Amino acid sequence: GQQLNQSPQSMFIQEGEDVSMNCTSSSIFNTWLWYKQDPGEGPVLLIALYKAGELTSNGRLTAQFGITRKDSFLNISASIPSDVGIYFCAGQLRDYGGSQGNLIFGKGTKLSVKP
Amino acid sequence: EAQVTQNPRYLITVTGKKLTVTCSQNMNHEYMSWYRQDPGLGLRQIYYSMNVEVTDKGDVPEGYKVSRKEKRNFPLILESPSPNQTSLYFCASRRIGYGYTFGSGTRLTVV
Repeated sequence: GQQLNQSPQSMFIQEGEDVSMNCTSSSIFNTWLWYKQDPGEGPVLLIALYKAGELTSNGRLTAQFGITRKDSFLNISASIPSDVGIYFCAGQLRDYGGSQGNLIFGKGTKLSVKP
Repeated sequence: EAQVTQNPRYLITVTGKKLTVTCSQNMNHEYMSWYRQDPGLGLRQIYYSMNVEVTDKGDVPEGYKVSRKEKRNFPLILESPSPNQTSLYFCASRRIGYGYTFGSGTRLTVV
C-alpha cells in the first residue's frame, strides 16, 4: 500500500535553532498536510498545501508542496521550547464521487529539547 | 469555538463489556472519521463517514461499529471489547477537500 517516509524520526533542538523535516512518497498526492501533536492531545493542523510547488507560511513555520507532488518539507525557524512535540505529515488524494480521498500519515518526527 | 468533542477522555473497561465513545462536531463538516493511534504504528483509520447514513470501512475496522444518524455526531461502538483494542482513539471531521480537525482523544484500556 501507499506509504509516507517521514524523516528524521526524532531530533533534539536548542532554542533558537532552525529545524527541518520532510516526507517522501512513491505516490502522488493532491494535498499535503502538516500536523503537530502535543502529549495527551489530538493532532492540530499547522499547514495545508493544495498545489504542487506551493510554499506556505504560518508564523515561524514554512512548508512546501514538492513539484513532483511526491514530497513535502516543513521548516521551523528560531525554535522555542513550545515547539517540542510530534510532527506528522499527511498526504491526501482528492475526494471523488462518493468516496473519500485516501489520507496517509507519516510516522512522525519527535522534537525534543537538547539536555 | 469550532471543535470536535469526544467523550470520555479516559476509559477503563473489561473484556466483552459493550461501550460507546461519542464524537460531535459543530462545524457542519461532511466527513467524519475515527482513528486509533498505537506506538510504532502511527494513526490508522477505523471507519469514516462521508455524510449522514453513509459510512465505510477504513484500514482497521474489525471489532468496531459506527453510525451517522445526524451530521454532527459519529459514535464509535465496541460491541465486545478485547485487550488488543487498548489504544488512543481520535475522532476527526473535515470539509470536502480539506484536512481533518481532530478531537482531543480517548484513551481506552481493556483489561
